[in-house]
Amino acid sequence: SYELTQPPSVSVSPGQTARITCSGDALPKQYAYWYQQKPGQAPVLVIYKDSERPSGIPERFSGSSSGTTVTLTISGVQAEDEADYYCQSADSSGTSLFGGGTKLTVL
Amino acid sequence: QVQLQESGPGLVKPSQTLSLTCTVSGGSISSGSYYWSWIRQPAGKGLEWIGRIYTSGSTNYNPSLKSRVTISVDTSKNQFSLKLSSVTAADTAVYYCARAKYVDTAMWFDPWGQGTLVTVSS
Repeated sequence: SYELTQPPSVSVSPGQTARITCSGDALPKQYAYWYQQKPGQAPVLVIYKDSERPSGIPERFSGSSSGTTVTLTISGVQAEDEADYYCQSADSSGTSLFGGGTKLTVL
Repeated sequence: QVQLQESGPGLVKPSQTLSLTCTVSGGSISSGSYYWSWIRQPAGKGLEWIGRIYTSGSTNYNPSLKSRVTISVDTSKNQFSLKLSSVTAADTAVYYCARAKYVDTAMWFDPWGQGTLVTVSS
């Protein structure tokens, strides 16, 4: 079955740049989306259609796509960005699916 | 702005049917290019998409759950619902409802409800 693969964890110091990747064979044909989830809270959309940022999401959040990998980049990481991040896309039948999630730790 | 709120029993016995309702406020469930979805998350684990419904009644389900899932909509109450049959302990999770925006082949979830914990136990 189709899967989206994310690294389990990423660590960065405050002010540095964090990059979280998501790999999947269908990503060249399907858009990717990114969600931030803090402990005890519901996920929040931070990037849609690979690189679009919803209103209210800080400019330091950006997304990009290259082949079978999409990347969420957080520039100038702040302590409040510590959270789990999930990518989401779809398979060829339109079934939505999520990556396994990446825990971002701000050192 | 649109808000979603899940409701339903927090405890379900094994082999029984889990039933949850999502109430949409701040906007009509029938307006716009939206599907209405259910997503779940076992404790300490990742997100799993369960399925979605359009206000016409058209549904799509995760193939891994399809045989046990029914999603329905009641536009008069601005609600949609989830039924998951023959539950086991593996179905214990926080269940979220979410609005799914679609444009051509793109579909994303925003906003989400706060989630409700459902425990399967005797």
